[in-house]
Amino acid sequence: GQNIDQPTEMTATEGAIVQINCTYQTSGFNGLFWYQQHAGEAPTFLSYNVLDGLEEKGRFSSFLSRSKGYSYLLLKELQMKDSASYLCAVVDSNYQLIWGAGTKLIIKP
Amino acid sequence: GAVVSQHPSWVICKSGTSVKIECRSLDFQATTMFWYRQFPKQSLMLMATSNEGSKATYEQGVEKDKFLINHASLTLSTLTVTSAHPEDSSFYICSATRGSDTGELFFGEGSRLTVL
Repeated sequence: GQNIDQPTEMTATEGAIVQINCTYQTSGFNGLFWYQQHAGEAPTFLSYNVLDGLEEKGRFSSFLSRSKGYSYLLLKELQMKDSASYLCAVVDSNYQLIWGAGTKLIIKP
Repeated sequence: GAVVSQHPSWVICKSGTSVKIECRSLDFQATTMFWYRQFPKQSLMLMATSNEGSKATYEQGVEKDKFLINHASLTLSTLTVTSAHPEDSSFYICSATRGSDTGELFFGEGSRLTVL
């Protein structure tokens, strides 16, 4: 079957760095998305990786290793507003989106 | 965990026809369902929000007469793309919330529409 794994919840301190991991086992691969979602709101696009390596966008970076079926989202200089759920989603060979359950990130002062 | 299922997962249709996509919450009652559209390598675009038994609320720029949304029961919402054209080809995704305080969303697998 197809599977996306990410931690259920993580806690970090304001100003610190946190890495949210996502491992996947899917039938084929056509890209991986990271989304941020605040409670009750629609997800916000953070990144899209289809090639191996690290992509940096300001305080957020996303890394992909296709051979390992692994991605991570790195958040630097954490702010209280970064408290949210972070969703990993993989596009499989049929262009179906396979969603992770999301990681709830709690930022403490 | 809560499961949201979409059907069909893949549909090809001719220009001018209408296509209906279903979104079902399989093991919970969804008080609110959301419909999104996604273009390749771009963000999910929220199209509309629907609450069971009431009219959907459409986002700015989304034609409500073209994208008909019906949320007739607590477990089913449908999106009908009327008079589809090639530019409507896209990935349509639904999500649902149980209405709990967490506001947690559960996503469907998506429906890929190709209009010839």
